[in-house]
Amino acid sequence: KNEVEQSPQNLTAQEGEFITINCSYSVGISALHWLQQHPGGGIVSLFMLSSGKKKHGRLIATINIQEKHSSLHITASHPRDSAVYICAVSGGTGNQFYFGTGTSLTVIP
Amino acid sequence: NAGVTQTPKFRILKIGQSMTLQCAQDMNHNYMYWYRQDPGMGLKLIYYSVGAGITDKGEVPNGYNVSRSTTEDFPLRLELAAPSQTSVYFCASSFRLTGGGEKLFFGSGTQLSVL
Repeated sequence: KNEVEQSPQNLTAQEGEFITINCSYSVGISALHWLQQHPGGGIVSLFMLSSGKKKHGRLIATINIQEKHSSLHITASHPRDSAVYICAVSGGTGNQFYFGTGTSLTVIP
Repeated sequence: NAGVTQTPKFRILKIGQSMTLQCAQDMNHNYMYWYRQDPGMGLKLIYYSVGAGITDKGEVPNGYNVSRSTTEDFPLRLELAAPSQTSVYFCASSFRLTGGGEKLFFGSGTQLSVL
C-alpha cells in the first residue's frame, strides 16, 4: 500500500506543451510537497502546499484537500524542465514524510 | 548558508566493508533524515532524528546505524555492507513553519555500490 500515488510514471512532451502531473494521497497531512530531481542531481523543493494554489514562474501547484489530490502544472514546457518530479506529503509523528515514486518528465526540443 | 552537505558523492564498497556517510546542515534544523532511493521506488526512510541525542528507526533501518551528537551532524553508518545496500542515499533536514507544514531540504546524494 502506497500512501502517495503519482501519475503518470513517465511523460514525454514537446517543447511548449502544457504538462500536468497528478498526485493522490491516502493519509492525513499537514502539507504536500512537490520536489524536483535532475539526473544525477540532488532533490530540491519546488512547492509546499496546505491549501489552494501556488505559482512560481511557469510552475503551478494545486491541492484539493477534500479529494486528497494535487496537481503540478508546467506551462510552456522547456527541455530544462526534464527531471523527475516527486510528490511528498508530511504529517504524523516525527515529522514523517511519505514520497511518491516520481514522474520522469522528458521535454523534447 | 551551505544548506545540507553530504559526502561522499560516490563510493564503491566490497561486501563486508563498513563506511560512514557524512551529513551536516547549518540551518539549525532539529529534524534530520536519512533516505535511500532505489530505482522505481519512492524514497524510503532509514533513520530520523528530532534533535541532538534523539534518533529513531524509519521504515528500513536494518544494516544501518546513526548518531546525532550535535544539531548540525547526522552521520549514517553502514556495518558489514551487503549488495542489498546498493542505492542512492539522501540526507535531509526540515523545520516546521509557524503557519503549519514543514520546509524540507536535501543533500546532493551519495551513490553507493556494494560489490
